[in-house]
Amino acid sequence: DTEVTQTPKHLVMGMTNKKSLKCEQHMGHRAMYWYKQKAKKPPELMFVYSYEKLSINESVPSRFSPECPNSSLLNLHLHALQPEDSALYLCASSQELTLGNTIYFGEGSWLTVV
Amino acid sequence: QQQVKQSPQSLIVQKGGISIINCAYENTAFDYFPWYQQFPGKGPALLIAIRPDVSEKKEGRFTISFNKSAKQFSLHIMDSQPGDSATYFCAAKAPGGYQKVTFGTGTKLQVIP
Repeated sequence: DTEVTQTPKHLVMGMTNKKSLKCEQHMGHRAMYWYKQKAKKPPELMFVYSYEKLSINESVPSRFSPECPNSSLLNLHLHALQPEDSALYLCASSQELTLGNTIYFGEGSWLTVV
Repeated sequence: QQQVKQSPQSLIVQKGGISIINCAYENTAFDYFPWYQQFPGKGPALLIAIRPDVSEKKEGRFTISFNKSAKQFSLHIMDSQPGDSATYFCAAKAPGGYQKVTFGTGTKLQVIP
């Protein structure tokens, strides 16, 4: 069982809606990630947080807004999305950004933009 | 330089057979090579990983073979079972500072009874 928990598992939203994806881990990891995965493709990195500070933004459009309220939680706020943003959004964590190579993924949130 | 090439794209194996997935890389700085298993509708899960100082690592029915000189590594699934049907991603990561995990393109494995 994954120790990275994501909610909701499925989300359908209109292009004018505002919604949020949530992620929680209790492994004491200090690095947390958001990935986007399209069908039949590998995960693509979006954002990386290290010690609750945004470290990496892979040129993600501003309609995606990450937030890290504390060391266990990671949110992804969604606003004015496009249908092409429909994908599986994966949260992940690792020990630290520069230590520990293993990234642990959650089960993902399936997002459909209509 | 950062690419990891994975083949085949899809694979059908009979139950009890051996599944083999291959990956190749260019960046000699990579020093950590994990394999992820992803079932439909789920996130990727770490299956097994290897460092280049060993040529083989075995965990149950899963074995990674590593050829440092050829810059290739492969996943062997012995006695493949229908429950192994999933998409498998190889990956690689370099040490030092923050190094992004580079994923292969994935192999969809189907094990038929």
